[in-house]
Amino acid sequence: KAGVTQTPRYLIKTRGQQVTLSCSPISGHRSVSWYQQTPGQGLQFLFEYFSETQRNKGNFPGRFSGRQFSNSRSEMNVSTLELGDSALYLCASTRGSGTGELFFGEGSRLTVL
Amino acid sequence: AQSVAQPEDQVNVAEGNPLTVKCTYSVSGNPYLFWYVQYPNRGLQFLLKYITGDNLVKGSYGFEAEFNKSQTSFHLKKPSALVSDSALYFCAHLAYNNNDMRFGAGTRLTVKP
Repeated sequence: KAGVTQTPRYLIKTRGQQVTLSCSPISGHRSVSWYQQTPGQGLQFLFEYFSETQRNKGNFPGRFSGRQFSNSRSEMNVSTLELGDSALYLCASTRGSGTGELFFGEGSRLTVL
Repeated sequence: AQSVAQPEDQVNVAEGNPLTVKCTYSVSGNPYLFWYVQYPNRGLQFLLKYITGDNLVKGSYGFEAEFNKSQTSFHLKKPSALVSDSALYFCAHLAYNNNDMRFGAGTRLTVKP
């Protein structure tokens, strides 16, 4: 069974640009969550999608957005990039029952110059 | 606010010795608690969870955790540490039915030969 796949694994952008990250969940998983990991702030919850609907949202500015498609694949977008957006962005999927563990991808490491 | 806390940034143990990574929680109602491990440049991997039932939970790679309601703790333990256990460990709690997993700051475990 394939795991959670995130693309791209590494990318470099400059301030002001925008970026789109992709996440393909485990087959059968309908919930996809996104997290930002930085050395200073640790793991911070961005948002969670279930059946194409955003169900939860963390405390991030509107520059951070996401969506989920009918096949449960998800994308997140960050517009007007800032240096502080440099981070490892992790995607996780689960069936959506609310008591199961999350299955994480290996992350997309974004560097903003 | 509901949260988990990991009071130690770093834990060092010698190979073969028992290890403990501490976690305390501040969650109303019945907490859903998890431990995850992260190896360098990788996503998080699920170790174990406590939802209800037996206070001693056994998980992957020989790890176990004890849920202690009176002390509001959920410490991760292993009887005999391996060098390969060296990694970043996260305690987390889940808002039931929300798939909103919130993580502690993480504890870096170093096992020395």
